[in-house]
Amino acid sequence: AQSVSQHNHHVILSEAASLELGCNYSYGGTVNLFWYVQYPGQHLQLLLKYFSGDPLVKGIKGFEAEFIKSKFSFNLRKPSVQWSDTAEYFCAVNSLGANNLFFGTGTRLTVIP
Amino acid sequence: NAGVTQTPKFRVLKTGQSMTLLCAQDMNHEYMYWYRQDPGMGLRLIHYSVGEGTTAKGEVPDGYNVSRLKKQNFLLGLESAAPSQTSVYFCASSYLDRASNGYTFGSGTRLTVV
Repeated sequence: AQSVSQHNHHVILSEAASLELGCNYSYGGTVNLFWYVQYPGQHLQLLLKYFSGDPLVKGIKGFEAEFIKSKFSFNLRKPSVQWSDTAEYFCAVNSLGANNLFFGTGTRLTVIP
Repeated sequence: NAGVTQTPKFRVLKTGQSMTLLCAQDMNHEYMYWYRQDPGMGLRLIHYSVGEGTTAKGEVPDGYNVSRLKKQNFLLGLESAAPSQTSVYFCASSYLDRASNGYTFGSGTRLTVV
């Protein structure tokens, strides 16, 4: 069975600090990887996705993520966070042949002005 | 350009009552999904559909039923609501190629069962 682990449950940063949120998955085959963001009171929105090719993918709002196959990881990064980045972040995995995404439990990010 | 629309947005039910949540999408997506979101547990798949007239169980299907009579609509039913079903419910849809293009989510339905 697939699983997605997000070990950071709540991260608190000051504005301009750098961000890295961890995501590990358990599946040995080909995967598609996603990061979604959920701003307070809103629905989930796609931040970025990886299908193949360059393992460093860039998304919206200055976010990027790196796929490291040997570590089964897809960590999300941003060099300098803003107060408006306060949200919950979900990593998700879709394995080849599967009909749905498996989500991690989410990481709540609080950015202090 | 509505995307995915969920109704209602909020609902309070008494234990044992029934209700139906409606999800409608206008993007001609084949795949539709119902998830529930609970604190500390992320999103868990309840049921999904890969096309009109088809449905399948997800991770947590017990206590729920679904129907996909029209391609654009995916209904989630609770026949006899229980407090354990208090949650935020999200509908999502995706294009043909399974979930590989990512989902478009609705804005959610916050359900409280008392």
